[in-house]
Amino acid sequence: GENVEQHPSTLSVQEGDSAVIKCTYSDSASNYFPWYKQELGKRPQLIIDIRSNVGEKKDQRIAVTLNKTAKHFSLHITETQPEDSAVYFCAAESYNTDKLIFGTGTRLQVFP
Amino acid sequence: GAGVSQSPSNKVTEKGKDVELRCDPISGHTALYWYRQSLGQGLEFLIYFQGNSAPDKSGLPSDRFSAERTGGSVSTLTIQRTQQEDSAVYLCASSQFVGVKGEAIYFGEGSWLTVV
Repeated sequence: GENVEQHPSTLSVQEGDSAVIKCTYSDSASNYFPWYKQELGKRPQLIIDIRSNVGEKKDQRIAVTLNKTAKHFSLHITETQPEDSAVYFCAAESYNTDKLIFGTGTRLQVFP
Repeated sequence: GAGVSQSPSNKVTEKGKDVELRCDPISGHTALYWYRQSLGQGLEFLIYFQGNSAPDKSGLPSDRFSAERTGGSVSTLTIQRTQQEDSAVYLCASSQFVGVKGEAIYFGEGSWLTVV
């Protein structure tokens, strides 16, 4: 079945440094890859997404890259700030099933 | 409505009792999802509705779990004979599915279920 692996599970960075979170997916029919940020006790919120016909997408300090051949996609956060501290989830949706499968999450801590 | 609405926000129930969790999606959204998140864990897919039909029920953990959606809007997730391992946050999400693949889903605040 569909599976999404996410690494690392925890990530600590100094304020101003960059953070990178990586995901791999198993279903080659996957064509939509969103990223969600979940602050403690709150709902997951969409921060950026990418579709399979695009290799990279940027939104201010956040960028996502996709390598369809390797079935990898990554989230890049530059100039990190303490308010970036949260759990980040990647996800992949299969064209065949419309089911959105989430990775296991990465707890990012940004220290001032 | 402005966002996905879930009720109750918190529920404490005794082991063995049945519970119903309700989700009211964003107005006009035809797709509705249920996920479960245990404390400090990831998002476990439970079930997905497109309109009133559920093409994929494979994520439901056991036959004690069921879900329905009527009128293409409100959905109810029912857990029968609750067990302590059912304690989790149950998150509902919706998306606007108009035949285009790859639509963002938007989550509600969740229903926090504690089975004692």
